[in-house]
Amino acid sequence: DVKVTQSSRYLVKRTGEKVFLECVQDMDHENMFWYRQDPGLGLRLIYFSYDVKMKEKGDIPEGYSVSREKKERFSLILESASTNQTSMYLCASSLGGGTGKVYGYTFGSGTRLTVV
Amino acid sequence: SQQGEEDPQALSIQEGENATMNCSYKTSINNLQWYRQNSGRGLVHLILIRSNEREKHSGRLRVTLDTSKKSSSLLITASRAADTASYFCATASKYNNNDMRFGAGTRLTVKP
Repeated sequence: DVKVTQSSRYLVKRTGEKVFLECVQDMDHENMFWYRQDPGLGLRLIYFSYDVKMKEKGDIPEGYSVSREKKERFSLILESASTNQTSMYLCASSLGGGTGKVYGYTFGSGTRLTVV
Repeated sequence: SQQGEEDPQALSIQEGENATMNCSYKTSINNLQWYRQNSGRGLVHLILIRSNEREKHSGRLRVTLDTSKKSSSLLITASRAADTASYFCATASKYNNNDMRFGAGTRLTVKP
């Protein structure tokens, strides 16, 4: 069964810590995405990547960075965690779309991060 | 904003009834997708409808798309308690069909 795996289900970190959220997919997907989900706000796109070593800012990139050194792995980095980054973080991947081709996303189970 | 908006925010029905959820959006889209999320878990892709399609079916799911009104609806027929979840619509930009934005979702509760 194809999978997107997020390394931690629950995580508690202290304010000011550098936090790494890891996401690995085994489907050879070109595209990978990081969202955060907060009650009443839905999913908001933080960063995405269409290829190795490539990254693009989403709607709310401030306070975050990403790394994609290998096709299967997309890491989200909180440079200095703050309490307002307490949230559910969701990673997703999809096949790259050629002309006229569109694909759904495959999501990981999410990481619930609490910053104290 | 490209982001879809679902309506209603919450819906409670009895098992066996049909559930209808709506989604509105503001910009031109390439396609619209519906996802389901069980409590505290990741999202699962349900169905994709392209901008040149008007209706699509998958099992008990029926999706319609009206691009003139910039709206879509998801109908779940003969609902079951196991359908209890949050449902999200996501819109893909006309100019970048891999760039999707999600709404805040509809919370569906199906009572046994």
